[in-house]
Amino acid sequence: DAKTTQPTSMDCAEGRAANLPCNHSTISGNEYVYWYRQIHSQGPQYIIHGLKNNETNEMASLIITEDRKSSTLILPHATLRDTAVYYCIVRVAKTSYDKVIFGPGTSLSVIP
Amino acid sequence: GAVVSQHPSWVICKSGTSVKIECRSLDFQATTMFWYRQFPKQSLMLMATSNEGSKATYEQGVEKDKFLINHASLTLSTLTVTSAHPEDSSFYICSARAPPTRYSGNTIYFGEGSWLTVV
Repeated sequence: DAKTTQPTSMDCAEGRAANLPCNHSTISGNEYVYWYRQIHSQGPQYIIHGLKNNETNEMASLIITEDRKSSTLILPHATLRDTAVYYCIVRVAKTSYDKVIFGPGTSLSVIP
Repeated sequence: GAVVSQHPSWVICKSGTSVKIECRSLDFQATTMFWYRQFPKQSLMLMATSNEGSKATYEQGVEKDKFLINHASLTLSTLTVTSAHPEDSSFYICSARAPPTRYSGNTIYFGEGSWLTVV
């Protein structure tokens, strides 16, 4: 699976949009971009994923650049409960042999 | 979304004993499950991939005789830490791959994690 790079940490004011970037310049054509987050002392929570089109669900929006070499996770109205480590991962999701390898992620702090 | 449950949430055991952690996919069948461990302030480290009905595949550096993984059914995988030592104290997390859907790949969902403390 391709490697990703993310900023180590970010701050966001409560109520504002949190924009978390991720670079995946070596992504292959059949690899999806997945986002998870991990709140302290809990298992990772699935947020959203996409292949090449922008995606939106009740939690977040995912914007993928046209060349697919980077993406941005957007939390439209950050709350204190969104404070967590956010992981951007790319994987070939339709095979039986892929696995999820975590990098260090981005530690997002939502500030009152 | 899909639910993956782990049990127990936390366990304390004596050094030299064995402890078993269960991982269940509650609303889907998972042919593949994964086990991770996580030390404080570090990212998750993949330990092994567990395929239903076959032997687990361990990552480099993970002792397969110490961390026994069994995936006997499509909804249950177990991790047994044998002859536990204090350095095995960690946060253990499982995940399960959901079946593929028409519109997306087969998403992997994670359990809540299990805290193991060896005294």
